[in-house]
Amino acid sequence: DAGVIQSPRHEVTEMGQEVTLRCKPISGHNSLFWYRQTMMRGLELLIYFNNNVPIDDSGMPEDRFSAKMPNASFSTLKIQPSEPRDSAVYFCASSPRVGLAGGPPEQFFGPGTRLTVL
Amino acid sequence: AQSVTQPDIHITVSEGASLELRCNYSYGATPYLFWYVQSPGQGLQLLLKYFSGDTLVQGIKGFEAEFKRSQSSFNLRKPSVHWSDAAEYFCAVGARGSNYQLIWGAGTKLIIKP
Repeated sequence: DAGVIQSPRHEVTEMGQEVTLRCKPISGHNSLFWYRQTMMRGLELLIYFNNNVPIDDSGMPEDRFSAKMPNASFSTLKIQPSEPRDSAVYFCASSPRVGLAGGPPEQFFGPGTRLTVL
Repeated sequence: AQSVTQPDIHITVSEGASLELRCNYSYGATPYLFWYVQSPGQGLQLLLKYFSGDTLVQGIKGFEAEFKRSQSSFNLRKPSVHWSDAAEYFCAVGARGSNYQLIWGAGTKLIIKP
């Protein structure tokens, strides 16, 4: 099993440019999460998909951020236009449908994309 | 509201020494509890989890954690740390009835002295 795959691993862009981050979840997993990690704010959940449908996007900072999951094996997080304060590590994680005893299942994280907006 | 507190931002221990990382949570019932580890430049990996039953749970890499309801704590321990344990450790809480939402602690960075 290849695990969760994210690309690119590093992205450097200039303010105002569009940025697209990509994620391939583990095959068979039903849930997908996008997180952002910064020194100041720690780990923040941006959006959660279940069976390709966005369930909770309350963590998306503003309209410049959008996420899609066109099928079970692919998701994108897009920032347009990007700003320096968007610089962070963005993680994608996936999980199976349910965990033990009905609780939250284990989340499997990708290696992250380090985004730098100049 | 649920919350998770990891009181120590950094902890430094000598290689071979014992380790305890603290985690306190606020939740109205018995939560689902997790410890994840993040090695430098990597994503988070599950170390162990507690759902019910025996309050002392064993995880990977020689780690264990103990759920103490009276103290609302789920501290992570290891009897003897290795240099490869240098990483950031995150405690997380999940609510019963929720199939996805985890509340994350701020993390504790473990530094190993040779």
